[in-house]
Amino acid sequence: DGGITQSPKYLFRKEGQNVTLSCEQNLNHDAMYWYRQDPGQGLRLIYYSQIVNDFQKGDIAEGYSVSREKKESFPLTVTSAQKNPTAFYLCASSSGARASGYTFGSGTRLTVV
Amino acid sequence: GESVGLHLPTLSVQEGDNSIINCAYSNSASDYFIWYKQESGKGPQFIIDIRSNMDKRQGQRVTVLLNKTVKHLSLQIAATQPGDSAVYFCAELLSGGYNKLIFGAGTRLAVHP
Repeated sequence: DGGITQSPKYLFRKEGQNVTLSCEQNLNHDAMYWYRQDPGQGLRLIYYSQIVNDFQKGDIAEGYSVSREKKESFPLTVTSAQKNPTAFYLCASSSGARASGYTFGSGTRLTVV
Repeated sequence: GESVGLHLPTLSVQEGDNSIINCAYSNSASDYFIWYKQESGKGPQFIIDIRSNMDKRQGQRVTVLLNKTVKHLSLQIAATQPGDSAVYFCAELLSGGYNKLIFGAGTRLAVHP
């Protein structure tokens, strides 16, 4: 079945460490996105990529970095510069201009310990 | 599970009743308006969308109404079931360049037997 796989589901990070969240899709979608979700809030866009080897900052990119070396993969690194990294992170991919073409992964819960 | 809506407004309904979830949006340039359902610990699931030049669209047990005059969007769920219990988000889709989704804060729907 086609879909988006995020791993790990739960991730714990010590302060000062960088961590990388994985996102893989087999939907042949060109565009991929990373969102952050905090309790009681909607999703906020961190980074997006429309094509391999190209990506753009979203609304809250500070303290995060991404790469898009393959169409299927869009990993997100949460760096030590991100002051409040504890959140639920969602990856998505899309094709076409309709929201029905958007597919979300099941998310990664990152906690700083 | 993941607590994605600790402080969200809650709509409580009896099983079998109709539910109406409301949302105010801000961007008049949006091409589509979308409703997502999110269960605890999971990514958002597409429910239904409506194009900006329409005022009503029906799906299976769901109806979306769009009032562009007052920038208001609503989701009606007929014969609400326990499986409908989740957090519901409205979102606006801005096409062109890239497909940017702007999410609202969400409403928790609690269905009681």
